[in-house]
Amino acid sequence: SQELEQSPQSLIVQEGKNLTINCTSSKTLYGLYWYKQKYGEGLIFLMMLQKGGEEKSHEKITAKLDEKKQQSSLHITASQPSHAGIYLCGADTSLGGGSQGNLIFGKGTKLSVKP
Amino acid sequence: DTGVSQNPRHKITKRGQNVTFRCDPISEHNRLYWYRQTLGQGPEFLTYFQNEAQLEKSRLLSDRFSAERPKGSFSTLEIQRTEQGDSAMYLCASSGGTRYQPQHFGDGTRLSIL
Repeated sequence: SQELEQSPQSLIVQEGKNLTINCTSSKTLYGLYWYKQKYGEGLIFLMMLQKGGEEKSHEKITAKLDEKKQQSSLHITASQPSHAGIYLCGADTSLGGGSQGNLIFGKGTKLSVKP
Repeated sequence: DTGVSQNPRHKITKRGQNVTFRCDPISEHNRLYWYRQTLGQGPEFLTYFQNEAQLEKSRLLSDRFSAERPKGSFSTLEIQRTEQGDSAMYLCASSGGTRYQPQHFGDGTRLSIL
């Protein structure tokens, strides 16, 4: 079965610093989703990547999927306290033939931003 | 724009009791998913509906769990004879029916078993 490993497990950065979170899959990724979660709340969709080498940005957050489609990274530029939370990567487990939506998730990376 | 709504937000019950959670998806979404999340873990898939049809169930969904989505609108998740291990956050998500549509999550129902 497919597994997603996220690193680091937790991260504390000073406001204004850049940071990167990684997500590595044991199998090829056909749809990779990044979500943010605040404690006790639901997941907020950030971005979805499909193609090898794909890169997407929204505000100060950039997500990339490597050419081999087994690793993704999430990069935050000039972090702010509002970026604090748990970042989760999720992957579609279907074999690229069409999404059934059964997502598996990593354990998450907890980000704290110190003012 | 109304997001995914889940009720109740919190449920505390005694072991052995039955509980039912409700999820109202985004109105135009025909796919609905249930996940369970425990502390320090990512969400784990439980089951998935396309319209009113339950198309997939995880091995995590024991016989004590049942989910319905009558008329393809809201969904309910019932847990019978609750056990301590059922304590978790139960998350509902919905998405459109085309390929690779992102799932949008509700705020979850936190279940605590005494």
